[in-house]
Amino acid sequence: NAGVTQTPKFRVLKTGQSMTLLCAQDMNHEYMYWYRQDPGMGLRLIHYSVGEGTTAKGEVPDGYNVSRLKKQNFLLGLESAAPSQTSVYFCASSRTGLSYNEQFFGPGTRLTVL
Amino acid sequence: GDSVTQMEGPVTLSEEACLTINCTYTATGYPSLFWYVQYPGEGLQLLLKATKADDKGSNKGFEATYRKETTSFHLEKGSVQVSDSAVYFCALSPIQGAQKLVFGQGTRLTINP
Repeated sequence: NAGVTQTPKFRVLKTGQSMTLLCAQDMNHEYMYWYRQDPGMGLRLIHYSVGEGTTAKGEVPDGYNVSRLKKQNFLLGLESAAPSQTSVYFCASSRTGLSYNEQFFGPGTRLTVL
Repeated sequence: GDSVTQMEGPVTLSEEACLTINCTYTATGYPSLFWYVQYPGEGLQLLLKATKADDKGSNKGFEATYRKETTSFHLEKGSVQVSDSAVYFCALSPIQGAQKLVFGQGTRLTINP
């Protein structure tokens, strides 16, 4: 049982390049989330999904797109990377969307945009 | 909107010292409250939670009590260890709608032997 895994762990991009971050969970969770973590700002929600085939915007969705074609996978795409997107990205999942449920986090992807 | 404010860090303590990390929140209704911990090089993991007023969450010697009257959820531990060195995040989840955690800015804790 690997929990939540993220690929890649590190990436360096040039401004304008594109990339996709992959998140996978093996806990059969319905809900999945993408956060970014910036110094002094905690984690902020980018996009989330309440089930296979669904996506919704979070607090900071601009410049990102997501897809949830399979229940176990949640992809985060950057179409044209900008230096402001330099951050650590965390994926998380939860069994349901009830407010008291625990979210399980992946190890993170550190992205640098030059 | 909903928000969480944590005491600013970093916090450095000696082993066996007492710890308090302050957390206050602003939210509509009765959110669920969480403390997550991030060890070096890892993702966040749940430390403890409380879902209603006066509930006390506890785990690994850490405790936090949901105080509705002061809108607070302070994290406490009576005797810290070097292995407690990590970043601690207070978070809330609104009672309605999909669970969308709102995090505080995090407090980096370093314990010296």
